[in-house]
Amino acid sequence: SQQGEEDPQALSIQEGENATMNCSYKTSINNLQWYRQNSGRGLVHLILIRSNEREKHSGRLRVTLDTSKKSSSLLITASRAADTASYFCATVRISSGSARQLTFGSGTQLTVLP
Amino acid sequence: AAGVIQSPRHLIKEKRETATLKCYPIPRHDTVYWYQQGPGQDPQFLISFYEKMQSDKGSIPDRFSAQQFSDYHSELNMSSLELGDSALYFCASSLVSGNEQYFGPGTRLTVT
Repeated sequence: SQQGEEDPQALSIQEGENATMNCSYKTSINNLQWYRQNSGRGLVHLILIRSNEREKHSGRLRVTLDTSKKSSSLLITASRAADTASYFCATVRISSGSARQLTFGSGTQLTVLP
Repeated sequence: AAGVIQSPRHLIKEKRETATLKCYPIPRHDTVYWYQQGPGQDPQFLISFYEKMQSDKGSIPDRFSAQQFSDYHSELNMSSLELGDSALYFCASSLVSGNEQYFGPGTRLTVT
């Protein structure tokens, strides 16, 4: 991966448990985003955290960002079988152009067992 | 709400053939991105357009080209296809002022 590693690569938990996924990146960033992908489907934006933020919540999602360690974590609380998917972190730099390309991490495959 | 539309959803081509993938962004979005996701891989940025002009280029092979038209739809043209081009190709759109990208369902290209 151009971005870095996500940890773990695969995670299997029981429904109701919490799932924590970690992401490391290599460059200075403007913001970091988490996306979800069901098998072979499109990517769905979950949450964005800016480089000057340390923690953000959205529903059952909690994201932290440590820019000194160039790492982020995504916590899904009270997991459900429907949370089964691949989760990617993606970072955004302000590039020389006006667009803000995403650089993805290698993803964590989460399986939530009923 | 309208989403990003990609066509076709599935495409099978032979080696050395040409393929054209189309993307229709969300209305009023001014930026389009193309990503390639190989089997079991993370998405890789290919190219982006802002207001119909190429704005950034990533790991796009010289055999590929893309453009954005006056109606803001974009096409990714792929020539001299190779087996390694088999992948999911995603288009995403956004407002240049925004950070969130909205992804289409992808085109699955299989090169045989």
